[in-house]
Amino acid sequence: RKEVEQDPGPFNVPEGATVAFNCTYSNSASQSFFWYRQDCRKEPKLLMSVYSSGNEDGRFTAQLNRASQYISLLIRDSKLSDSATYLCVVSGEYGNKLVFGAGTILRVKS
Amino acid sequence: NAGVTQTPKFQVLKTGQSMTLQCAQDMNHNSMYWYRQDPGMGLRLIYYSASEGTTDKGEVPNGYNVSRLNKREFSLRLESAAPSQTSVYFCASKTSGGAIEQFFGPGTRLTVL
Repeated sequence: RKEVEQDPGPFNVPEGATVAFNCTYSNSASQSFFWYRQDCRKEPKLLMSVYSSGNEDGRFTAQLNRASQYISLLIRDSKLSDSATYLCVVSGEYGNKLVFGAGTILRVKS
Repeated sequence: NAGVTQTPKFQVLKTGQSMTLQCAQDMNHNSMYWYRQDPGMGLRLIYYSASEGTTDKGEVPNGYNVSRLNKREFSLRLESAAPSQTSVYFCASKTSGGAIEQFFGPGTRLTVL
């Protein structure tokens, strides 16, 4: 079983749609959680951290459920520029290493 | 402020050849990492260096060696390249003190024939 599992997609959605991604992780000792974004043939970049209480950054909302060990990302009012691969990322127990999911592909169409 | 830089951007090797991938960061970060990314697999940690003078194995270290030359530079060496090492290699760095953002270089696309 992979440490971090994501639905690979692709999710094909029209502009303006709301789309949600989920991710599950296996290490209950994980302390920190993130969503990274990776554009085609580019390096990953941090999109947002995920906090236990849930957090929002503009059109993006992240949620963490420690009991069920899953993380979600909600994107509202999708833009063409949101098309990318979204990586769910979880830290190890001591925080120095990150474990990456394989990513979920989002394609936003006009 | 260039962030994390990697050279080369592309490389084609024949089986058995050796090469070194270079990585440098100008953010005064203590920790540096080497990952490989393969389709459907996500990024997998090869080696990391928590601070200058230390290196540790990650998830997939076999066939690789690393050198933390100084605080800025962290190189990855393939001594005898194999087709299974065809991948995209990313270097990353972060400051110390817990799990906060890692900054990635642009990657090296390596093909081993």
